[in-house]
Amino acid sequence: DGGITQSPKYLFRKEGQNVTLSCEQNLNHDAMYWYRQDPGQGLRLIYYSQIVNDFQKGDIAEGYSVSREKKESFPLTVTSAQKNPTAFYLCASSLHMNTEAFFGQGTRLTVV
Amino acid sequence: AQSVAQPEDQVNVAEGNPLTVKCTYSVSGNPYLFWYVQYPNRGLQFLLKYITGDNLVKGSYGFEAEFNKSQTSFHLKKPSALVSDSALYFCAVRDGSNAGNMLTFGGGTRLMVKP
Repeated sequence: DGGITQSPKYLFRKEGQNVTLSCEQNLNHDAMYWYRQDPGQGLRLIYYSQIVNDFQKGDIAEGYSVSREKKESFPLTVTSAQKNPTAFYLCASSLHMNTEAFFGQGTRLTVV
Repeated sequence: AQSVAQPEDQVNVAEGNPLTVKCTYSVSGNPYLFWYVQYPNRGLQFLLKYITGDNLVKGSYGFEAEFNKSQTSFHLKKPSALVSDSALYFCAVRDGSNAGNMLTFGGGTRLMVKP
């Protein structure tokens, strides 16, 4: 967990609202990632970024957007187009794309 | 396409006994293999990795894993389980032949260590 901060820890969203999840790292890592975890399931990749001002779609990018304006920050916006957003969201970073990833503590998003 | 299989949803073991959490993988190039542990409502913690070299890899908290190329397996092991080892364990693979290739995670195995 060290060096990667996700906020908030819990987030409630009304249907039709956009919400933004924060992810900040002070590890000087080039690569950053967003994963979604549903109960009893593994991790699915939403978006990833190898360098500043560049990012790529993962396996389940629909209904999500990201930005990478600074090396240390990779915020995720869950838009109203995401039909089933209730999940546990995990941000991670790695020095490069082919080194181990380190994870934040996660944000649990619930639609009310 | 690459994939990871963790065939057991849950593994039960008594404290002090050895434990094994199974993982098999499929990748077209060189496998980079990882194990992570997740405690409730927390992020994943890195345990160990295999990139190259010795097939037996030692990691954090007394865990180790053995890379078996012929069986495409990377099972996680510990000689003597602790109650505090109870958690969710994930195996992951990356194709090391492709620098931009992403990590693929298995579905996770819940380890329950009973006193």
